[in-house]
Amino acid sequence: SQKIEQNSEALNIQEGKTATLTCNYTNYSPAYLQWYRQDPGRGPVFLLLIRENEKEKRKERLKVTFDTTLKQSLFHITASQPADSATYLCALTGTRGYQKVTFGTGTKLQVIP
Amino acid sequence: NAGVMQNPRHLVRRRGQEARLRCSPMKGHSHVYWYRQLPEEGLKFMVYLQKENIIDESGMPKERFSAEFPKEGPSILRIQQVVRGDSAAYFCASSPQGEDYGYTFGSGTRLTVV
Repeated sequence: SQKIEQNSEALNIQEGKTATLTCNYTNYSPAYLQWYRQDPGRGPVFLLLIRENEKEKRKERLKVTFDTTLKQSLFHITASQPADSATYLCALTGTRGYQKVTFGTGTKLQVIP
Repeated sequence: NAGVMQNPRHLVRRRGQEARLRCSPMKGHSHVYWYRQLPEEGLKFMVYLQKENIIDESGMPKERFSAEFPKEGPSILRIQQVVRGDSAAYFCASSPQGEDYGYTFGSGTRLTVV
């Protein structure tokens, strides 16, 4: 069956360091992979989208890589700040031409001042 | 642009009552999605709609749940005869036509069944 796996354990890092979150998937051939941020009691907020033919995408302090051979995406936040503390969700669009998105369970990031 | 508007933010229903959750997508967005989230769990897909059409309802329970997105007005997620297990946060998201857009989510409706 299709699975999207994110580390369920919280990630604690020191302010100023680079946070790296992992998303692994099985039984998918995703056309697109997305990352979202979710704060407690709020809806997810879209951060970045990367296509299957792209290896890497950047936006300000964020970087996403997408390895379709390893079936893995890495999400990096450089120079992390306490305000980056949140749950980060990986999401896949499984089929080209069809917009339904399936979400992973998320990884909680805590940036310690 | 007010973004995706969901109401009510909080809804309390007694077992057996009906719950109606409303979602107005962002202006210019023609696709609406409903997701359910339980505490400490991920977002579970329920239904994907376009105006007047249900595209995919594979995540929605066959009984008691229905969704619509009429030509005029908001999308409605309707839960009949609610049970305690329906207590959750229900999120609506919208997107424009095209695959390579992220979703814009609303703030959710927190349904509590007592």
